[in-house]
Amino acid sequence: GENVEQHPSTLSVQEGDSAVIKCTYSDSASNYFPWYKQELGKRPQLIIDIRSNVGEKKDQRIAVTLNKTAKHFSLHITETQPEDSAVYFCAASMGGSQGNLIFGKGTKLSVKP
Amino acid sequence: KAGVTQTPRYLIKTRGQQVTLSCSPISGHRSVSWYQQTPGQGLQFLFEYFSETQRNKGNFPGRFSGRQFSNSRSEMNVSTLELGDSALYLCASSLNTASRNTEAFFGQGTRLTVV
Repeated sequence: GENVEQHPSTLSVQEGDSAVIKCTYSDSASNYFPWYKQELGKRPQLIIDIRSNVGEKKDQRIAVTLNKTAKHFSLHITETQPEDSAVYFCAASMGGSQGNLIFGKGTKLSVKP
Repeated sequence: KAGVTQTPRYLIKTRGQQVTLSCSPISGHRSVSWYQQTPGQGLQFLFEYFSETQRNKGNFPGRFSGRQFSNSRSEMNVSTLELGDSALYLCASSLNTASRNTEAFFGQGTRLTVV
């Protein structure tokens, strides 16, 4: 079936460094790619999303890039801070525009002060 | 406005029993999706309901079922519980229309423990 692969599963960086998380998807009909942040014991929350008609989107220290040809999309966090420590999930819509998000298995990001 | 509400927050059941979980979406949201979250497996898609119809289904056995009511509230049911069904069950609501995905807002989840 359709799936989303996410790498790395764990990532440790020093405060102030950049962090990059990469995902690949299998469904060529996917057109919506959100990223969620889940802090320990809390619900996942959307931090940024991108649609297939856009190659890059930025929001302050967070940016997402999309390569439709290669079916890759990536999350970039610059100037990391300890409060960025969490599990990050990428997702891709399946079946075109319908409400079916397939998630990657998550990346546990640790930012060391 | 009120967020996505899931009840109950915690549940302990015995193998073989059945369980029903409830999700109240954000007002105006017609799409409700359900996910199973376990350590190491991330968020696995169970099914999605839109305007009382199941629109998408993941790769889970028929023991997992759901429904949506006319007020968009949704329930999921798991019959003949197995130990492996222990997980955090999350629901998410969105405005999703037939032509456009929108942000999915998650509830806090129901932690199900099967003993």
